[in-house]
Amino acid sequence: SQQGEEDPQALSIQEGENATMNCSYKTSINNLQWYRQNSGRGLVHLILIRSNEREKHSGRLRVTLDTSKKSSSLLITASRAADTASYFCATGGYNQGGKLIFGQGTELSVKP
Amino acid sequence: NAGVTQTPKFRVLKTGQSMTLLCAQDMNHEYMYWYRQDPGMGLRLIHYSVGEGTTAKGEVPDGYNVSRLKKQNFLLGLESAAPSQTSVYFCASRSRVDGTEAFFGQGTRLTVV
Repeated sequence: SQQGEEDPQALSIQEGENATMNCSYKTSINNLQWYRQNSGRGLVHLILIRSNEREKHSGRLRVTLDTSKKSSSLLITASRAADTASYFCATGGYNQGGKLIFGQGTELSVKP
Repeated sequence: NAGVTQTPKFRVLKTGQSMTLLCAQDMNHEYMYWYRQDPGMGLRLIHYSVGEGTTAKGEVPDGYNVSRLKKQNFLLGLESAAPSQTSVYFCASRSRVDGTEAFFGQGTRLTVV
């Protein structure tokens, strides 16, 4: 079974609204990463949060991590139509022997 | 820099045929990965490698073999293709330094008929 599970599977919002996606994982991690995938293309790294961090910002992105609940959330503020994509969380680290495991992803649609 | 390059980009195989997908990276990364992506299933790890000459099984390794003879290349082989292997395959690489991002190729769309 996959390490990371995203919720919701699909999200549709209007431009200007905020989008929140959640990720849960099963084992201890050193870090958690979020990636974006435009339709049919390879994934692109967005942001990484380490296990000793609780929150991290990058532009319009805000990531939180709760290691006690084994969960993370990605918030995209003031969304734009160009944010339409699939978003994936991934976990990996030394304690996983080099593995990088992805969740099923959240498909975000931002309507103009 | 090219980053991560996958060859070929598209392929149609008949059931029972064999083929090799090539992944090449020019970033001197130690770790390399092969994933498959099916609708609604996200990315599932097939095999991965933490260094030249080493490979390991991922979540869905059955029906696939891999080799990492050179640090920059990671090959994924299908010995006898089955329709269930119809998928989009992605290769990725990253440094072994903890907390580094992975870089992805553009994918190979494989159809087995």
